[in-house]
Amino acid sequence: EDQVTQSPEALRLQEGESSSLNCSYTVSGLRGLFWYRQDPGKGPEFLFTLYSAGEEKEKERLKATLTKKESFLHITAPKPEDSATYLCAVLGYGGSQGNLIFGKGTKLSVKP
Amino acid sequence: DSGVTQTPKHLITATGQRVTLRCSPRSGDLSVYWYQQSLDQGLQFLIQYYNGEERAKGNILERFSAQQFPDLHSELNLSSLELGDSALYFCASSELAGGGTDTQYFGPGTRLTVL
Repeated sequence: EDQVTQSPEALRLQEGESSSLNCSYTVSGLRGLFWYRQDPGKGPEFLFTLYSAGEEKEKERLKATLTKKESFLHITAPKPEDSATYLCAVLGYGGSQGNLIFGKGTKLSVKP
Repeated sequence: DSGVTQTPKHLITATGQRVTLRCSPRSGDLSVYWYQQSLDQGLQFLIQYYNGEERAKGNILERFSAQQFPDLHSELNLSSLELGDSALYFCASSELAGGGTDTQYFGPGTRLTVL
């Protein structure tokens, strides 16, 4: 069964304090790993898609990396506006097509 | 703004009732997906429609049903509502039938409260 585990559940950082969020996954053949950002009461906002081990993608202060078992979302010099829940999801070859399996997310708080 | 619209934003109803949630996908997208998000379960895939046809089914209860219309908007019908159905319901859309390169863009959600 495809599964996604995110850690930590919650992370508090000071502004400018860099850190990483972890997404561990088990999937029967990875078609894609997705990162989303979700603000309270709003829909998930797409950030990145990663397809194969070794791939990296960057957007502003965020950088996502992928290995065969996990993905990391690195946040460099975060600002208060980066506070949100970050969701990781995988799409595998098994199961229903289009069926994204989401982790429960990491809630990031960045204090000024 | 993802371009996916959902109505209503909030819905408060009683147990045993039936409600309909509506979703309009981004312009040009053929697939619509429905997800349920509750505090303890996280985001759970319910069902996918592609160009009017059911494409994939997840953990959708028999009390729930969906359809996609010729103009590609979709409706999720929830009946015989129970307290445990209270959750955020999200619609997402993508260009194609689904796949690693087919990004799902989410709408703002409908918050359902069952009293």
